[in-house]
Amino acid sequence: GAGVSQTPSNKVTEKGKYVELRCDPISGHTALYWYRQSLGQGPEFLIYFQGTGAADDSGLPNDRFFAVRPEGSVSTLKIQRTERGDSAVYLCASSLGVGGDTEAFFGQGTRLTVV
Amino acid sequence: SQKIEQNSEALNIQEGKTATLTCNYTNYSPAYLQWYRQDPGRGPVFLLLIRENEKEKRKERLKVTFDTTLKQSLFHITASQPADSATYLCALDDSGTSYGKLTFGQGTILTVHP
Repeated sequence: GAGVSQTPSNKVTEKGKYVELRCDPISGHTALYWYRQSLGQGPEFLIYFQGTGAADDSGLPNDRFFAVRPEGSVSTLKIQRTERGDSAVYLCASSLGVGGDTEAFFGQGTRLTVV
Repeated sequence: SQKIEQNSEALNIQEGKTATLTCNYTNYSPAYLQWYRQDPGRGPVFLLLIRENEKEKRKERLKVTFDTTLKQSLFHITASQPADSATYLCALDDSGTSYGKLTFGQGTILTVHP
């Protein structure tokens, strides 16, 4: 595809439910990142994948959050037992290379609302 | 503690003027600093990157400076237009990693009035 695609665009779920958020990165991009953005704040790092492996998951807030990228392309962010505090926009980004001098391409985000 | 701060939440300027946005950081030693633009309901879009050994970088009407002594980056938009209205985010490379993990400021909402 032309850009990073995230589905769904919006997700409303009840407290305690399980949700999955999907990210389709730009074809050929080996690096994939998940960020979370609360209203009025900048994105906060959650997890980074290089290929299929999670190279850094230090930003995941707790063990209710988990992400996979089984074939090194599409990634899924999974949240168990959702809480109202999980409400935010979840952003996915991909890049062709690695390093701080590499441009990251972001998707439009998934707005998660936990009621 | 580590902190990235962008000047005032909102900046309002008149069309044609130069907008100057500030990004200050403490307790980081970034090798790179990036600026992104974000429109409502959209993901951030990369604008410019500047390296620690560069003082200034330009791209069309955009100019970024990077002062590692002051721990500050300035982002300028010259001849501003209403279409430049958006949230601008600075982000720095966490120099403890080598894979582009970004730490973002909270953003500055720029409004350019016609």
